[in-house]
Amino acid sequence: GQNIDQPTEMTATEGAIVQINCTYQTSGFNGLFWYQQHAGEAPTFLSYNVLDGLEEKGRFSSFLSRSKGYSYLLLKELQMKDSASYLCAALDSNYQLIWGAGTKLIIKP
Amino acid sequence: NAGVTQTPKFRVLKTGQSMTLLCAQDMNHEYMYWYRQDPGMGLRLIHYSVGEGTTAKGEVPDGYNVSRLKKQNFLLGLESAAPSQTSVYFCASSSGEEFVELFFGEGSRLTVL
Repeated sequence: GQNIDQPTEMTATEGAIVQINCTYQTSGFNGLFWYQQHAGEAPTFLSYNVLDGLEEKGRFSSFLSRSKGYSYLLLKELQMKDSASYLCAALDSNYQLIWGAGTKLIIKP
Repeated sequence: NAGVTQTPKFRVLKTGQSMTLLCAQDMNHEYMYWYRQDPGMGLRLIHYSVGEGTTAKGEVPDGYNVSRLKKQNFLLGLESAAPSQTSVYFCASSSGEEFVELFFGEGSRLTVL
């Protein structure tokens, strides 16, 4: 079956760095997405990786290893507004998105 | 600059009642989707549409129907609501298949008593 695993909850300190991991098993693979979702709001797009390596976008970076079925989202210089859930989603061979349950990130002062 | 708009935002139903959720997008997107989001679970696709007049089943279609009579609108219907359909429903749209950045609506919270 198809599956996405990511930690349920993580806690980090304002100004620090946090890495949120995601492992996936899908029928075929056409890319890995990260979305941010603040409580009570809609998910918003953060990043898309289809090739191995690191994609950097400001304070956020996303890494992909296709051979390991593994991705991570790296958040630097954490701010209180980064408190949110981070959703990992993999695109399978039929271009259907398989979603993880999300990682709730709690930022403490 | 509306993007994707869902109505209503909140609704309480009794078991057996029917209702329709409306999704409207102003980005001229071909693809539209209805998801449900439940605690501890990933977003689950209910139905989707790849263009005006087309619909297809997703992962959890039972108990729901959809229609895409106009390109900008995607309706989700519950004919006979059940408590198991209590959830937050998100509509989303995208421009195409290969790079599927989704644009989500704000969500509709439905409670079935």
